[in-house]
Amino acid sequence: GAGVSQTPSNKVTEKGKYVELRCDPISGHTALYWYRQSLGQGPEFLIYFQGTGAADDSGLPNDRFFAVRPEGSVSTLKIQRTERGDSAVYLCASSLSLTSGSNNEQFFGPGTRLTVL
Amino acid sequence: AQSVTQLDSHVSVSEGTPVLLRCNYSSSYSPSLFWYVQHPNKGLQLLLKYTSAATLVKGINGFEAEFKKSETSFHLTKPSAHMSDAAEYFCVVSEPGGSYIPTFGRGTSLIVHP
Repeated sequence: GAGVSQTPSNKVTEKGKYVELRCDPISGHTALYWYRQSLGQGPEFLIYFQGTGAADDSGLPNDRFFAVRPEGSVSTLKIQRTERGDSAVYLCASSLSLTSGSNNEQFFGPGTRLTVL
Repeated sequence: AQSVTQLDSHVSVSEGTPVLLRCNYSSSYSPSLFWYVQHPNKGLQLLLKYTSAATLVKGINGFEAEFKKSETSFHLTKPSAHMSDAAEYFCVVSEPGGSYIPTFGRGTSLIVHP
């Protein structure tokens, strides 16, 4: 597709369950970012990948959160033992690279709205 | 370390009047600065960006922003508001020479009255 896609668009789960959120970046984009946006707040950085490796995961709130990008394209954000406080919109973005200039422009997906009951 | 402060959580204007959304930043490097717009239930869309070229940046939908290093500001303006401009606006800073992690402001909600 032409843009960043995320699936599912909505996910409702129960406290304690495991969830996976998927992001398909724009083809050829080497950098991929995950953010979490709570109601009334700006997106909060979680992790970003340069290629297959997690270049910086300092934004992950705790060890229940994990993300992978095994082939340098699609990424999956995994949340174990979900808590009600994990409820938020999870955004994915991709960019051509991390360098300066036009290549670091991020293109965002529509997000996955996660609700933990 | 980088940071960004959006000085107003809400801005209310009448249709046809000017828009000013304020953003101040802090950066140890030459920053890249962005403004994004988020309409209800829609994804974030880039309005404009500053990446060390011209300090006055023109974006989509008639918006523009001026990078003022002496004031560490990157305010977003539009001469005449339209009803369709009502949305949430985010100022973003990143440091290509330092931390690549983009930092978002908390957002400014623009309300446009008829």
